[in-house]
Amino acid sequence: GAGVSQSPRYKVAKRGQDVALRCDPISGHVSLFWYQQALGQGPEFLTYFQNEAQLDKSGLPSDRFFAERPEGSVSTLKIQRTQQEDSAVYLCASSLWGWENTEAFFGQGTRLTVV
Amino acid sequence: KQEVTQIPAALSVPEGENLVLNCSFTDSAIYNLQWFRQDPGKGLTSLLLIQSSQREQTSGRLNASLDKSSGRSTLYIAASQPGDSATYLCAVSTGNQFYFGTGTSLTVIP
Repeated sequence: GAGVSQSPRYKVAKRGQDVALRCDPISGHVSLFWYQQALGQGPEFLTYFQNEAQLDKSGLPSDRFFAERPEGSVSTLKIQRTQQEDSAVYLCASSLWGWENTEAFFGQGTRLTVV
Repeated sequence: KQEVTQIPAALSVPEGENLVLNCSFTDSAIYNLQWFRQDPGKGLTSLLLIQSSQREQTSGRLNASLDKSSGRSTLYIAASQPGDSATYLCAVSTGNQFYFGTGTSLTVIP
């Protein structure tokens, strides 16, 4: 597609509910990143994929967070048993190759509110 | 861990002024540095990418410089316009991830 697409744009979840956030990267982009952005803060790294391989998940805050990219294109970030502190904007980015010298393009984000 | 700092946190200028936004980082072993713009409630729009071997990049009224050895980058905006009002974020790449600053919130007053 023309850009990185994320869905849904907004999600309200009751505490304890599971949610799934989707990211469609730019077609052909090898690298895919997930970030979490709290209000008034810069984005914080969650996880990184190169094709279908999850090469870095060091930023996932707990084992309630899980990400996958099974066919090396679309990715899903799943949060189990949501808590209020999970409320944030979740941003997805893709880049053509690896992280070294290529530009990252971000989606519009999914704003998650846990009530 | 890489730490990225942006100064000032907020800036308000009259239309037409030239301005400079600052970004500093603690680990000079970076692959590249990227400047982004974020409008309220929106995602990030890439403005400029500077490779680690480069000193500056220009796009229209924007010019970004990089001094890797001192851990600094600046974003220069010429002849500011009200449409430039947004939060500007810098991010450095040191491996599998980008490290972001907390941004500079810019308001250009008509």
